[in-house]
Amino acid sequence: EPEVTQTPSHQVTQMGQEVILRCVPISNHLYFYWYRQILGQKVEFLVSFYNNEISEKSEIFDDQFSVERPDGSNFTLKIRSTKLEDSAMYFCASSADLGNTIYFGEGSWLTVV
Amino acid sequence: RKEVEQDPGPFNVPEGATVAFNCTYSNSASQSFFWYRQDCRKEPKLLMSVYSSGNEDGRFTAQLNRASQYISLLIRDSKLSDSATYLCVVLRNSGYSTLTFGKGTMLLVSP
Repeated sequence: EPEVTQTPSHQVTQMGQEVILRCVPISNHLYFYWYRQILGQKVEFLVSFYNNEISEKSEIFDDQFSVERPDGSNFTLKIRSTKLEDSAMYFCASSADLGNTIYFGEGSWLTVV
Repeated sequence: RKEVEQDPGPFNVPEGATVAFNCTYSNSASQSFFWYRQDCRKEPKLLMSVYSSGNEDGRFTAQLNRASQYISLLIRDSKLSDSATYLCVVLRNSGYSTLTFGKGTMLLVSP
């Protein structure tokens, strides 16, 4: 079964450092997403991406976050200057179309120290 | 009011028990509803969509009441492998596939 793959599975970074989380969505999918889950909290929407641009973003997705699809396969989330409160599991997801099932990757666990 | 609210849990049940999860949502314009399952430190996985007419998938039955903005999930004959957190998820009517998650209800099935 096709799956969304994410790297790294776990990253520890110092506060203030830049982090890039990488995702390879399912190959024929057109809609891509990032969600995050702080330990013990609910899964929260960050951003959706379609046709090479952001289609929607949440209040969490401020200027320190950015996304891009640099080469037509990878979908990346960059956090420019990490804060302690950015420590969370970051899930990439994709769907074939609007209203279709959204499939999640296994997540990248980010720890900011 | 939280967008999606669930029973806080955890629910501890013996194998074979029937267990029901409840969920309410605040946005009456929400268009689609789902139950996801999440194992500890794993990604959410779609368990089933929820339709107005109610739907069943094996031991799992989901119900939706749009008037009350209420969603339920019933698990019959629970198995040890059902132990997980069950997430109530709502698709907002934003024109995009943005999911809003409840905090989840943990289920622990014991022998």
